[in-house]
Amino acid sequence: DVKVTQSSRYLVKRTGEKVFLECVQDMDHENMFWYRQDPGLGLRLIYFSYDVKMKEKGDIPEGYSVSREKKERFSLILESASTNQTSMYLCASSGDPAPYEQYFGPGTRLTVT
Amino acid sequence: RKEVEQDPGPFNVPEGATVAFNCTYSNSASQSFFWYRQDCRKEPKLLMSVYSSGNEDGRFTAQLNRASQYISLLIRDSKLSDSATYLCVVAVSGTYKYIFGTGTRLKVLA
Repeated sequence: DVKVTQSSRYLVKRTGEKVFLECVQDMDHENMFWYRQDPGLGLRLIYFSYDVKMKEKGDIPEGYSVSREKKERFSLILESASTNQTSMYLCASSGDPAPYEQYFGPGTRLTVT
Repeated sequence: RKEVEQDPGPFNVPEGATVAFNCTYSNSASQSFFWYRQDCRKEPKLLMSVYSSGNEDGRFTAQLNRASQYISLLIRDSKLSDSATYLCVVAVSGTYKYIFGTGTRLKVLA
């Protein structure tokens, strides 16, 4: 069974703080993704990575950065959290060849006050 | 026009009923299609991939119509536990781009 884990289920941060969200997958998948999900907007892609140290911007990368130093781990960084980044953050992974089925972590519900 | 469109529902059906959802997509280069199930405040979970010939998994049947650019999900003999939001996902050929619909909400009533 594919397992994708995320570092926190719930997180509350203050405006201006630097926030780290971590995702780990145990299926040796090449591809990893960060999405945010907001009511009425569906899932929107922030960044994805198709290999270690490789990253590509998704549809809404502004205010975010990512890091992938190891194949199994993909981190999302909010450089200076703002209230409009309050959302559910979902990490996913998939194998190759793209596009293959994605498997999601349990999500991190982030509130920025 | 949205790239992937779904009727948001809710579809309220009695236990044992058959219910069908459609999802339309606009990019003809789309190659891979999936249905996910998402429970309230949880992550999406893969329900099934959709193949050109159609596929069935127990009470669930998925169909693809490339000519009309839609996919469908049929649920037979609905259970209370089927209550969830069903997400349609379309992936573009040769890319890492997955396009998500906003979901169709199903409520199965006792």
